[in-house]
Amino acid sequence: EIVLTQSPATLSLSPGERATLSCRASQSVSSYLAWYQQKPGQAPRLLIYDASNRATGIPARFSGSGSGTDFTLTISSLEPEDFAVYYCQQRSNWPSFTFGPGTKVDIK
Amino acid sequence: QLQLQESGPGLVKPSETLSLTCTVSGGSISSSSYYWGWIRQPPGKGLEWIGSIYYSGSTYYNPSLKSRVTISVDTSKNQFSLKLSSVTAADTAVYYCARHMTDFESIPIDYWGQGTLVTVSS
Repeated sequence: EIVLTQSPATLSLSPGERATLSCRASQSVSSYLAWYQQKPGQAPRLLIYDASNRATGIPARFSGSGSGTDFTLTISSLEPEDFAVYYCQQRSNWPSFTFGPGTKVDIK
Repeated sequence: QLQLQESGPGLVKPSETLSLTCTVSGGSISSSSYYWGWIRQPPGKGLEWIGSIYYSGSTYYNPSLKSRVTISVDTSKNQFSLKLSSVTAADTAVYYCARHMTDFESIPIDYWGQGTLVTVSS
C-alpha cells in the first residue's frame, strides 16, 4: 500500500505570506495526485488534480507541482479564507485510493 | 448544480450493520465519466476512502475494509448505498458520499455530500 506523508503537520503563517506544503509518497504515484482544502464542519474541496491542474473555480494563488514521490502545494499569498486543513490524495494502482494525514495552516 | 445528500441512522449498535444512502440530484448517476464513492472521517482525524462504484455496478473497495463493505447502486432512483457490517466504536465517523471524475488520472473527487455523523454505541 502506498503511504502519503505530509509536512509540516502545522504551518503557522500570517495573511499575505507564502505557504508551501509538502506531500511525499512511499513509492511513485506518477502524477496521480490531488489536493483538497477542508474547513471545520465542511466537506473537503478539490483544489488541484493530476498534480498541477487547478480545479474549476480555484483561485490562481493555489498551485501544485511535482511528480513521482514528491509534491508541493503552494499558496502564493494567504488570504484569510485559506486558513484550513489541506490533504493530498493519490490513486496509483486503482483501486488503491488514499489520503495523506493533512497539514493544518493556521494564523500566526 | 449537482447535489449529493447522505441519509441513514445516526446511531448504530456495536456488531450491527451501518447502512447509508446517497441521493444524487442535478445530474445522472448513469454517466460514464464518474465513479460514486464513500469516504469517512473520524472526529478530529483524517479522511479514509471506503470504496466506490460505477453506474454499471462495478465496485472498488479499500482492502482494509473490503470484508465488511458492500456498495450498491440504484440507477432508477439515482442513488447509491453503503453497508458496513460488524461495526465497532472505531467506525464512528462522519460519512461522506462523493463523486470521482474518471476523466483525470488522479480520479479526484469534485463533489461531496455534506456528510453525516454515524456513532457506534450501545
